[in-house]
Amino acid sequence: GAVVSQHPSWVICKSGTSVKIECRSLDFQATTMFWYRQFPKQSLMLMATSNEGSKATYEQGVEKDKFLINHASLTLSTLTVTSAHPEDSSFYICSARELGSGRPDTQYFGPGTRLTVL
Amino acid sequence: RKEVEQDPGPFNVPEGATVAFNCTYSNSASQSFFWYRQDCRKEPKLLMSVYSSGNEDGRFTAQLNRASQYISLLIRDSKLSDSATYLCVVASDSNYQLIWGAGTKLIIKP
Repeated sequence: GAVVSQHPSWVICKSGTSVKIECRSLDFQATTMFWYRQFPKQSLMLMATSNEGSKATYEQGVEKDKFLINHASLTLSTLTVTSAHPEDSSFYICSARELGSGRPDTQYFGPGTRLTVL
Repeated sequence: RKEVEQDPGPFNVPEGATVAFNCTYSNSASQSFFWYRQDCRKEPKLLMSVYSSGNEDGRFTAQLNRASQYISLLIRDSKLSDSATYLCVVASDSNYQLIWGAGTKLIIKP
């Protein structure tokens, strides 16, 4: 149980284009989804917290107009990297917190999406 | 000071050895503590939660010292498959947001 999928698993795009990454909870409902970014040899950095039906909360330094997050249902959140540039190349990982979970500190992680911007 | 600090590594140890990871956290009000394992180019996976009384799962032992704000992970009889990056994670007391350490890379050599 508690499986989270991400799509695509990897993407290569040209500078200036937009890329959409999907995060789905497959067998549970997620009240909250988190988007992380990880650069090589660094730890995960939280970008934003996404609650179903409301606007995402972005961490300091993360541009909300550049990283658009939509959490339209309890099983799907999307991250769109708009006008991507080479410095946006990174490993993007989503996680989900289960609705009604007795452990609010438990997050289930997707397999990640590796974005390379040429 | 970083909220969660770990030994930078990498640790190169022979197969069968015992290896210990240390982690300190700055927020004394933190409530939950974890060790995650991350393989190269993969998502992090929960290795074990850390409880105040200390807990053990097979070859892995985790301990928490709230007074010193210190967490440890001990791996006994290390295997080649233990090679990975080990991440210390602390959950904040208010919104349970996960705060991640930078990780310590472990390389087990035959």
